[in-house]
Amino acid sequence: DVKVTQSSRYLVKRTGEKVFLECVQDMDHENMFWYRQDPGLGLRLIYFSYDVKMKEKGDIPEGYSVSREKKERFSLILESASTNQTSMYLCASSSPYSYTEAFFGQGTRLTVV
Amino acid sequence: DAKTTQPNSMESNEEEPVHLPCNHSTISGTDYIHWYRQLPSQGPEYVIHGLTSNVNNRMASLAIAEDRKSSTLILHRATLRDAAVYYCILKKTSYDKVIFGPGTSLSVIP
Repeated sequence: DVKVTQSSRYLVKRTGEKVFLECVQDMDHENMFWYRQDPGLGLRLIYFSYDVKMKEKGDIPEGYSVSREKKERFSLILESASTNQTSMYLCASSSPYSYTEAFFGQGTRLTVV
Repeated sequence: DAKTTQPNSMESNEEEPVHLPCNHSTISGTDYIHWYRQLPSQGPEYVIHGLTSNVNNRMASLAIAEDRKSSTLILHRATLRDAAVYYCILKKTSYDKVIFGPGTSLSVIP
């Protein structure tokens, strides 16, 4: 019954590496989101997408980019990973209607060393 | 963006009811009130949502004030598995971002 799948549960990367975090949803949702979660800071929105090839910046886009080539897949890219990007990354999807729920993946815990 | 305000933390005894409040004084007429919770080491999960009327489901009840400026999530009998961070958010019909506040961390005491 998995609806939003993130490609890795745990990831360790080196400083300066290019990192891809993948997210796939099977609900034909238009909207997809990437958040990061850090202790004491809650869930912060990095980027979201409301359609294929469309993207909008969230509250903390610096150091990240995204790609949405297909409706079901939304990728978060760290062009040159840094230690301050060590975090839990959560992907979510939803339809654009206010009465529908959002679905989250289980999260990817990324450590940059 | 309409914002929500919740207490940082709350405690409850096991098997007692829990009332988690949320203020959203700038809510607009078409915003739905959604509640999510996040168990330790998991992604957030949907709990319940509503527009104007009170709502019940198998997980919880949602009581919405008549002026819609506040709402309360009610867990009828708290269990240890209900210990989580609870988020109240306002969701619009739009191709737009969904913003989470800090939420309320609920502790359940055996």
